[in-house]
Amino acid sequence: QSALTQPPSASGSPGQSVTISCTGTSSDVGGYNYVSWYQQHPGKAPKLMIYEVNKRPSGVPDRFSGSKSDNTASLTVSGLQAEDEADYYCSSYAGNNNWVFGTGTTVTIL
Amino acid sequence: QVQLVDSGGGVVQPGGSLRLSCAASEFSFTTCGMHWVRQAPGRGLEWVTVIWADGRHKFYADSVRGRFTISRDDSKNTLFLQMSSLRDDDTAMYYCVKERAPFDGFDIWGRGTKVTVSS
Repeated sequence: QSALTQPPSASGSPGQSVTISCTGTSSDVGGYNYVSWYQQHPGKAPKLMIYEVNKRPSGVPDRFSGSKSDNTASLTVSGLQAEDEADYYCSSYAGNNNWVFGTGTTVTIL
Repeated sequence: QVQLVDSGGGVVQPGGSLRLSCAASEFSFTTCGMHWVRQAPGRGLEWVTVIWADGRHKFYADSVRGRFTISRDDSKNTLFLQMSSLRDDDTAMYYCVKERAPFDGFDIWGRGTKVTVSS
């Protein structure tokens, strides 16, 4: 199972928006609505930010939103804040009890 | 407080074995599918294995199948990962993870336990 493709980096100024893409195939992202997104600060465990493509767990700000079109999912962070600087990973169920993660994107606040 | 506390990591020689543990608290462990996810130094996340709530269904990534075994002790709310025939590329931080629902995202993560395979 190949990793989902994400851009290595993304950046934006405080208050701006940034969108991260996550490209897979019809066997993972395109085949299931089980796409999730994780935020990871250095030295910390990942944190679930979005599940089932566009749903936010309790406590996650509504500045974080998710979407999907065909084999590509996207995470948008609006109104960027300093604490949003982190690594972000997408993940998808890939069938046959397999899961696949994205390559990861480092978001930098300018 | 809902949490997972993973432990058991350490330094092991290539070809050696190690057993990781993960203690769960403040949620209904017995009804949840549980996973292990790992992250090599400076690298991305890699899904490793899952065990269903029934404890009978277990699935593995190709990279560890036949070498790693996942298990659970519901009487102790504890998840295990028995690792054998360890290789250099198994070096990673290993996270115990709870799934939000079957096939869904991972909503609770342990802090991770570090495994280093080195001679």
